Amino acid sequence: SQQGEEDPQALSIQEGENATMNCSYKTSINNLQWYRQNSGRGLVHLILIRSNEREKHSGRLRVTLDTSKKSSSLLITASRAADTASYFCATVQTGANNLFFGTGTRLTVIP
Amino acid sequence: KAGVTQTPRYLIKTRGQQVTLSCSPISGHRSVSWYQQTPGQGLQFLFEYFSETQRNKGNFPGRFSGRQFSNSRSEMNVSTLELGDSALYLCASSGLAGRGTGELFFGEGSRLTVL
Repeated sequence: SQQGEEDPQALSIQEGENATMNCSYKTSINNLQWYRQNSGRGLVHLILIRSNEREKHSGRLRVTLDTSKKSSSLLITASRAADTASYFCATVQTGANNLFFGTGTRLTVIP
Repeated sequence: KAGVTQTPRYLIKTRGQQVTLSCSPISGHRSVSWYQQTPGQGLQFLFEYFSETQRNKGNFPGRFSGRQFSNSRSEMNVSTLELGDSALYLCASSGLAGRGTGELFFGEGSRLTVL
């Protein structure tokens, strides 16, 4: 079963705007990762944040993690049409050896 | 460096048949994980292999099996196919020794349709 839920399920914005996606999970974790998937294709790793980290940046991506609220957010700044994709959070539960994926957010960036 | 390669990319089977999917990980990666993706259930973990040993298994029936060879290539097999097995099957490799918990590198997937 899925560990996380993402909010919103779908998001549509204009090019140049920022996009924020949220992920909530249920159990204690070792790390949380964000992946991107273009329609029907494989997933691409974006960023990994460990449970003892609170914020991480990578290019136009900013990820925050609040372990007390069991939630994370992914911010994409200055979005581009090429950012149109589904975005998934994935958690590694404490003691587990695999990823549990969230339900995903479908992002559409309108040129 | 070549990425993760999955074959076949698309296949159509009928109920009751069996199917074998193949995955070649990134050179040097010894951990291979398999995931099933469907619209209803999302991405679900099937199993993870390291050095030819299954290290972890998800909550799937025994019809789903896999193996890993000495060159780290992996196969998964689904027997007695059901309509609900229609899905995108994704393979991922990891450079972390024995753990599918770091950054995963995914293949493009094998899309299985069961009629």
